[in-house]
Amino acid sequence: GAGVSQTPSNKVTEKGKYVELRCDPISGHTALYWYRQSLGQGPEFLIYFQGTGAADDSGLPNDRFFAVRPEGSVSTLKIQRTERGDSAVYLCASSPTGARRSTDTQYFGPGTRLTVL
Amino acid sequence: AQKVTQAQTEISVVEKEDVTLDCVYETRDTTYYLFWYKQPPSGELVFLIRRNSFDEQNEISGRYSWNFQKSTSSFNFTITASQVVDSAVYFCALLNTGTASKLTFGTGTRLQVTL
Repeated sequence: GAGVSQTPSNKVTEKGKYVELRCDPISGHTALYWYRQSLGQGPEFLIYFQGTGAADDSGLPNDRFFAVRPEGSVSTLKIQRTERGDSAVYLCASSPTGARRSTDTQYFGPGTRLTVL
Repeated sequence: AQKVTQAQTEISVVEKEDVTLDCVYETRDTTYYLFWYKQPPSGELVFLIRRNSFDEQNEISGRYSWNFQKSTSSFNFTITASQVVDSAVYFCALLNTGTASKLTFGTGTRLQVTL
C-alpha cells in the first residue's frame, strides 16, 4: 500500500511569512508524528497525535509552531513568522495504534525541505 | 534522559567489503526499543530493524546483521559484502517506555560504498 506522503517536497519562503506543511499518513494508522531534521543531524521530535488530539507536543520549539489533525488522518504543521533558523527538513511518520504511549515502529515520509530566506 | 551516540560520522568502503556501524545508547529505563533506519539521498527514512530490551538474540537478514549487547549498551549493525546501493546515512534510534512515542536519534553515519 501507499506509504506516508508529504507535500510540498520543497518550500522556499521569506523570513516572517506563514507556511503550512501537510502530511498524509499510511491508511489506517492512528498515530502520527512530526520531526525536524537539521543538516547533518538526526531527526528531533516535535509532536505526536493520537487520533485527532495532540498527545505530546513537548518538542515544539515555541508558540510559532502549531499542528492540527482535525479528522484523525491528514495533519498540517503550521509555522508563523518564519525565521531563518526554521530551515530544515520536516519529517512526518505514522504508526498503526493509537495508544497514548505508543511503542510501535514509526514509518516515515520523504519530508518537506523548508528554506527560509 | 536518553541519548544515542554514533561516533562514526562517515565511512568509506569499496564494494564487497564488510562494514560495521556502531551505536551506543544511554537510558535509565529497563524496557526500551532500539531501531535502525536508512536514509538514502532521496531523504526518506526507511525502517530496517527493531529490537526490544529483553531480546538480545542477534539477527541476520540477508546481508544485514545486528549485534545487540546490553552489557555494553551497544546495538551495532553490519553489512556484509557491501554494495553501491547501500550508500546512505544510517541512523540508530531509541524509544523507551518512559517517554514513549518519541524516538531519540543519533547523529547518523554516512556510508559511502564505491566500486
